[in-house]
Amino acid sequence: NAGVTQTPKFQVLKTGQSMTLQCAQDMNHNSMYWYRQDPGMGLRLIYYSASEGTTDKGEVPNGYNVSRLNKREFSLRLESAAPSQTSVYFCASSAAPAGSYEQYFGPGTRLTVT
Amino acid sequence: DQQVKQNSPSLSVQEGRISILNCDYTNSMFDYFLWYKKYPAEGPTFLISISSIKDKNEDGRFTVFLNKSAKHLSLHIVPSQPGDSAVYFCAARVNFGNEKLTFGTGTRLTIIP
Repeated sequence: NAGVTQTPKFQVLKTGQSMTLQCAQDMNHNSMYWYRQDPGMGLRLIYYSASEGTTDKGEVPNGYNVSRLNKREFSLRLESAAPSQTSVYFCASSAAPAGSYEQYFGPGTRLTVT
Repeated sequence: DQQVKQNSPSLSVQEGRISILNCDYTNSMFDYFLWYKKYPAEGPTFLISISSIKDKNEDGRFTVFLNKSAKHLSLHIVPSQPGDSAVYFCAARVNFGNEKLTFGTGTRLTIIP
């Protein structure tokens, strides 16, 4: 049971480049989330998806797009990367709203934009 | 506006003693609270939670206390062990049926052998 997996683990981009962060979960969870973690800022929600086919903005959505491809997969896209998007990105999933609200996190993607 | 606050960025505790991590919140609509533990280069892992209808929840060495009137919760770890050294985040949820969590900024706990 892999839980939540994320690819890639590390990425370096130049300003203006684009990339997609991939996330998959094998727990049959309804909800999936993308967070970024910056020093002294905790975990801030970028986007979330409460079910397949639906997505909603979180606290810091600007500069990002998401796709809930199916129940298992939720991707995060940076169309034109900026140095302010240098961060560690975490994907998470939960059984909410039909089940438990605990969120299970992937190992993270460390992104540097130069 | 930081709705969930962890005012102590770091805490050091002797092995075997009690560790107390604190969290304050401002939104009275929060009805469910969680604690997560995070090791370096790993994702956060769920530790323990408490509903607003309770004031205490225990799981082994971990106990969470909720004081709704003070909008304050705390995590007690007894006895503290070296493997408890990590960053601890508290999180809160608004309203039944809401899938989102609001996280605090974290407290780095160091257990001194």
